Amino acid sequence: AQSVTQLDSHVSVSEGTPVLLRCNYSSSYSPSLFWYVQHPNKGLQLLLKYTSAATLVKGINGFEAEFKKSETSFHLTKPSAHMSDAAEYFCVVSDLGFGNEKLTFGTGTRLTIIP
Amino acid sequence: ETGVTQSPTHLIKTRGQQVTLRCSSQSGHNTVSWYQQALGQGPQFIFQYYREEENGRGNFPPRFSGLQFPNYSSELNVNALELDDSALYLCASSLKGSGANVLTFGAGSRLTVL
Repeated sequence: AQSVTQLDSHVSVSEGTPVLLRCNYSSSYSPSLFWYVQHPNKGLQLLLKYTSAATLVKGINGFEAEFKKSETSFHLTKPSAHMSDAAEYFCVVSDLGFGNEKLTFGTGTRLTIIP
Repeated sequence: ETGVTQSPTHLIKTRGQQVTLRCSSQSGHNTVSWYQQALGQGPQFIFQYYREEENGRGNFPPRFSGLQFPNYSSELNVNALELDDSALYLCASSLKGSGANVLTFGAGSRLTVL
């Protein structure tokens, strides 16, 4: 069975400082991993995805994540936080072996940006 | 390119009632998935529809059912509503065979069961 664990339910950083949101995964197959962001009253938006190509993945809005198989981690980072980054972030795993593109979401990390 | 649209955006029902939620998929997509997001939780997979047939189901009882239409739009039906069914219901569309597992999500339908 596939699963993800988001290690922090809440993260607060000051504007202009780095962001680190942590995620560990478990998967029986070679996984696809994603980070999605959810702003209030808006749909989930894909930030970035890893699908067995380069281990360092760059996404939108300056976010990036590194796939580390030895640590089963896929942490999300951004060098400098902006007020607009305040949102809920979800780490997601998908095993194509299921054949139905099922996504398994973590419980989310709420990111707060301090002015 | 239109995105995924869902209706209604909010609705209130009472226990035992039935509800139908609707979803229009993104242009060019042929697969629709439904997720339930309880307050403070991550979305959970309900089921997926491809070629008008169910193509995978999560841990949800049979009173959760769905349809996919020839134009790839979809409905989620929930019978005999329970208080725990209160949640945000998310529809997502994708293109099967594209290999990337990238889903486009709608903004959701927020269901409150009293």
